[in-house]
Amino acid sequence: NAGVTQTPKFQVLKTGQSMTLQCAQDMNHNSMYWYRQDPGMGLRLIYYSASEGTTDKGEVPNGYNVSRLNKREFSLRLESAAPSQTSVYFCASRPEQGAGVGYTFGSGTRLTVV
Amino acid sequence: GQSLEQPSEVTAVEGAIVQINCTYQTSGFYGLSWYQQHDGGAPTFLSYNALDGLEETGRFSSFLSRSDSYGYLLLQELQMKDSASYFCAVRDGPDSNYQLIWGAGTKLIIKP
Repeated sequence: NAGVTQTPKFQVLKTGQSMTLQCAQDMNHNSMYWYRQDPGMGLRLIYYSASEGTTDKGEVPNGYNVSRLNKREFSLRLESAAPSQTSVYFCASRPEQGAGVGYTFGSGTRLTVV
Repeated sequence: GQSLEQPSEVTAVEGAIVQINCTYQTSGFYGLSWYQQHDGGAPTFLSYNALDGLEETGRFSSFLSRSDSYGYLLLQELQMKDSASYFCAVRDGPDSNYQLIWGAGTKLIIKP
């Protein structure tokens, strides 16, 4: 099925450990996004990529890095995890035109840092 | 700063009609979107308004007044499956380069 695939779905890390969240879309979208969602705070943009080879910081980029590996894949890396990074992480993509279609989100990664 | 305000929680009865309001203050405005998110799930796109007026999609309708910086999502004939959080989001630029600015979400509780 066409869409956005995120892995892993769940992860527990110890403080200071590193990990990479993977995201891939098969809709030929140029724009891809990483969000985090904390209870009662809606979605906050971490990083985005408007096209292959470009990435830009969003609202809350500190503690994260990203890589746009190719048009399909956009990964998020936590180099040294902290308890404050406990959250649900969503990857999303959108078509270039037609805002009436909206973003397509992956199913999310639930990350706990202890 | 940029902000979107929506009620944190709304309660309604199955079969009734409910309206979820969203007021926004942003530096750029190209349109207002609505997303639905069930507990434990991902946000899914519901509707988009670029122009003033009402857009209807089945039981859901969305309204925009650009002069009032205000919009709402109207849900009719409520069903238990409509229990979810609803987010409004402002699009801040053209197709080539825009971000969505998100509200904090409204939790809709439906009682039988």
